Amino acid sequence: QKEVEQDPGPLSVPEGAIVSLNCTYSNSAFQYFMWYRQYSRKGPELLMYTYSSGNKEDGRFTAQVDKSSKYISLFIRDSQPSDSATYLCAMGSGGYNKLIFGAGTRLAVHP
Amino acid sequence: GAVVSQHPSWVICKSGTSVKIECRSLDFQATTMFWYRQFPKQSLMLMATSNEGSKATYEQGVEKDKFLINHASLTLSTLTVTSAHPEDSSFYICSARTSGGGEQYFGPGTRLTVT
Repeated sequence: QKEVEQDPGPLSVPEGAIVSLNCTYSNSAFQYFMWYRQYSRKGPELLMYTYSSGNKEDGRFTAQVDKSSKYISLFIRDSQPSDSATYLCAMGSGGYNKLIFGAGTRLAVHP
Repeated sequence: GAVVSQHPSWVICKSGTSVKIECRSLDFQATTMFWYRQFPKQSLMLMATSNEGSKATYEQGVEKDKFLINHASLTLSTLTVTSAHPEDSSFYICSARTSGGGEQYFGPGTRLTVT
């Protein structure tokens, strides 16, 4: 079993839809949770950073962390074609330098 | 803020030669930098972690004599691919992390093609 599980998709939605992206993990030591967006042939861009459990909102994006269920989510409201990209979840613990990444979910938002 | 640059963005080299990739944190001091490689439609694979002024820590299966990493200052790390072969062709991405921070900021990546 991988430490971080993420459905690779692809996920195709119409413009304006609410998108839900998820990751599950097995290591209860994880404290930092991040979502990155990566366009083709570009480096990942940090979208959301959450420490421990809870919700965080930034514009059209909402990140949720449920440590009891070892489950994190990213919601995108009013999705746009420009949101079409691969979304990577990543997590780490205080005792480690490195992040553990999910496989990435490819999202396509069509007009 | 939190901008990381890489140079070059794209490089082609002949088999057997070496190529150096630079990673710079432009507006913050990066105590730790990371080097990843990524194959098409796959996730990031961590190659090594480097802390300023000390030797890099390589992930299992990554040849440290082939992928030389130097982190000489708080804003610059370099990856040198020595004696490159076509199988080294890939997308190389660096990231940087500040002291005490959990998040990493990524550079735009370098596409290496070895002919």
